[in-house]
Amino acid sequence: GESVGLHLPTLSVQEGDNSIINCAYSNSASDYFIWYKQESGKGPQFIIDIRSNMDKRQGQRVTVLLNKTVKHLSLQIAATQPGDSAVYFCAESGYSSASKIIFGSGTRLSIRP
Amino acid sequence: DGGITQSPKYLFRKEGQNVTLSCEQNLNHDAMYWYRQDPGQGLRLIYYSQIVNDFQKGDIAEGYSVSREKKESFPLTVTSAQKNPTAFYLCASSDGGLESDTQYFGPGTRLTVL
Repeated sequence: GESVGLHLPTLSVQEGDNSIINCAYSNSASDYFIWYKQESGKGPQFIIDIRSNMDKRQGQRVTVLLNKTVKHLSLQIAATQPGDSAVYFCAESGYSSASKIIFGSGTRLSIRP
Repeated sequence: DGGITQSPKYLFRKEGQNVTLSCEQNLNHDAMYWYRQDPGQGLRLIYYSQIVNDFQKGDIAEGYSVSREKKESFPLTVTSAQKNPTAFYLCASSDGGLESDTQYFGPGTRLTVL
């Protein structure tokens, strides 16, 4: 079946450095992608989204890149801070009229002081 | 202060008992969803509702039931038929349907079966 996955289950980054979290999706017809941040014991928080007619979108300290050729999505966090520690997961949707959002299992980002 | 609320935050249940998890939203969203999250896994859709008085099964609906009598409320009942109910349950809502509208999540309810 279709799936959304992540290349790295854990990522350790020095405080102040940039973080890059990757995600692969399997359905080339997916046209909407979302990144969520989930802190321990809390619900997922929307970070940024991107549609398939774009290849880059920027927010505050975050950038999402979409490479449709290789079906790859990434989340870049600039100047990583301790508060960025969380699990990040991507989601895809939109590939059929009865489609639903498919969530990946997540990457844990930890920040070294 | 708009958002999605879930209660209780922690819930304990004895085997064989039904339990109902609350989800309320004041975002005026049409669609609401229930997901289950298990360690190391992605969110799995239990039930969703795109409009009042209507709901559909998700991928893992067996052992669960829902109702949507009001736009702002979408309670989930975990029945005794659910074989492995211990999990973190997340409610979400969105402005439109399933296809592309961003879903916003509540804080979750952690259910433990004793």
